[in-house]
Amino acid sequence: DAMVIQNPRYQVTQFGKPVTLSCSQTLNHNVMYWYQQKSSQAPKLLFHYYDKDFNNEADTPDNFQSRRPNTSFCFLDIRSPGLGDAAMYLCATSRVPGRMSYEQYFGPGTRLTVT
Amino acid sequence: DAKTTQPPSMDCAEGRAANLPCNHSTISGNEYVYWYRQIHSQGPQYIIHGLKNNETNEMASLIITEDRKSSTLILPHATLRDTAVYYCIVRVGADGLTFGKGTHLIIQP
Repeated sequence: DAMVIQNPRYQVTQFGKPVTLSCSQTLNHNVMYWYQQKSSQAPKLLFHYYDKDFNNEADTPDNFQSRRPNTSFCFLDIRSPGLGDAAMYLCATSRVPGRMSYEQYFGPGTRLTVT
Repeated sequence: DAKTTQPPSMDCAEGRAANLPCNHSTISGNEYVYWYRQIHSQGPQYIIHGLKNNETNEMASLIITEDRKSSTLILPHATLRDTAVYYCIVRVGADGLTFGKGTHLIIQP
């Protein structure tokens, strides 16, 4: 089945040690999103790629970067994780031709622990 | 800030219809109303969306008022698996989703 895949599902990293989370999709969607969800909070958009165009949210810390080497893959890089970056990271995709509005499909998330 | 207002929690008996309200009084003409839900420890799941007409799919119905300032999501026959946080979101185009606090729907056996 076409889907959004996130690996790994659980990631443990040390304070200050760079970490990369990955997302892949078989839906051939042109837009990919990254959200951060801290415990007992709603998901919060970090950034998204509309095709190859990167769109950063104004309040996303510089510590968070993203790469999209091709349509299927998107990566979230945290350059120097702090304890406050422990969260569930959710990847989502959407097919948005022009200005029509379409639903987003979410992956299962990667739960990041920072020790 | 989120542009929608929802009750923080609701209870519904299993087998009954669950009606979840949402206020979006500042919605603009080209914004759609979306509903997602998030079951504990899973990614959000799309339910339904609409612009101004009522919509129905295999999961739910969406009723949008004529002035578009509010809407109601209806789960016609709630089951225990429908226990989740339900988010009402307004958006347009490729914009990312701005989640509010949502409604925690608890289905009681």
